[in-house]
Amino acid sequence: EDQVTQSPEALRLQEGESSSLNCSYTVSGLRGLFWYRQDPGKGPEFLFTLYSAGEEKEKERLKATLTKKESFLHITAPKPEDSATYLCAVQAYSGAGSYQLTFGKGTKLSVIP
Amino acid sequence: ETGVTQTPRHLVMGMTNKKSLKCEQHLGHNAMYWYKQSAKKPLELMFVYNFKEQTENNSVPSRFSPECPNSSHLFLHLHTLQPEDSALYLCASSQDPADTQYFGPGTRLTVL
Repeated sequence: EDQVTQSPEALRLQEGESSSLNCSYTVSGLRGLFWYRQDPGKGPEFLFTLYSAGEEKEKERLKATLTKKESFLHITAPKPEDSATYLCAVQAYSGAGSYQLTFGKGTKLSVIP
Repeated sequence: ETGVTQTPRHLVMGMTNKKSLKCEQHLGHNAMYWYKQSAKKPLELMFVYNFKEQTENNSVPSRFSPECPNSSHLFLHLHTLQPEDSALYLCASSQDPADTQYFGPGTRLTVL
């Protein structure tokens, strides 16, 4: 069974204090790893897809990296508007032309001015 | 409108009511999904449709009944729900089942 574990569950940072969120996974036949951002009461917003170990992607203050067992979301000099819950999901082939996303519980990030 | 829209945004219903959630995507995608998001739990995939055909049903109780009349619209018909069904119901779409999924804003459902 595919499993995704995100840590920490919650993280409080001062504005400008850089840190990393972790997503560790066990999956049979990883096709891709996805990062989403979710604001309260809203749907997840797509951030990145990573497909192979060693791959990195950046967007503004965020950088996502991938190894064979985990992914990190690095946040450099965060601002209050980066406060949200960050979700990690792994995609694997589930048979008959179907793919499934398995999500972690998320990391709730709070950036204090 | 663009992206994925969901109506209503909030719904309160009794256990004996029948209601429907609606999802519409304006992205030209062929696959659509229903997810359930409960507090302190990961998103749970409920149903997957690809080119209007249901391809996944993750052991969802029969009180939830999906309908996909075309690739742009997805419905979730609800009847005889339980209080534990209260959650945020999210719709998503993707170009194909292997592609990135884009989510709607969700319907916050409360079952009394």
